[in-house]
Amino acid sequence: DIQMTQSPSSLSASVGDRVTITCRASQDISNYLNWYQQKPGKAPKLLIYDASNLETGVPSGFSGSGSGTDFTFTITSLQPEDIATYYCQQYHNLPLTFGGGTKVDIK
Amino acid sequence: QVQLGESGGGVVHPGRSLRLSCAASGFTFSTYAMHWVRQAPGKGLEWVAVISSDGGNKYYRDSVRGRFTISRDNSKNTLFLQLNSLRAEDTAVYYCARDPGGLQWRFDYWGQGTLVTVSS
Repeated sequence: DIQMTQSPSSLSASVGDRVTITCRASQDISNYLNWYQQKPGKAPKLLIYDASNLETGVPSGFSGSGSGTDFTFTITSLQPEDIATYYCQQYHNLPLTFGGGTKVDIK
Repeated sequence: QVQLGESGGGVVHPGRSLRLSCAASGFTFSTYAMHWVRQAPGKGLEWVAVISSDGGNKYYRDSVRGRFTISRDNSKNTLFLQLNSLRAEDTAVYYCARDPGGLQWRFDYWGQGTLVTVSS
């Protein structure tokens, strides 16, 4: 199975800060990576697909980049409504696997 | 609008069975692949299984293969997951999720989830 390692596992930032989360794959996955946001008690929501494509309806303050084994997810300006856990997910191989998640909250 | 609604969760003893359902509406169900994804309490997300739009292709994670069966009834816009020989480690919220195309391997809509608790 492809292991997906996210860092950090949690972070606190101020409103308006730029927030960056990294996701590393245990092998080359090209750009076969998606990002999700999960708010407490809710189902996840797709934000980014194919490493850098913004899902329809998702605010432009979210972005993704990377290829191969190293990927980055960025919130340009953290807002209170962005408080959530963020997950990366690879689809290069089955089983589909997720990173362990990064919990983001407000400092 | 797209809606997915799971049902069938509950408390069950180890070794017993359960059948989850996911009712779909707001889109042409028969043209989309569908997935099950689970989340153990306080833990991360874990993909479980996928079924193609016509039901002809099914894939499972190793830990559930042979115990879980994914199926669908396109005439009733419903996805199923049959869970047999349940173990404590199967305890989780089970989500059904839509794949946006012909197995694009991502989840663009999710249900609210149904909790399965395996405990003696």
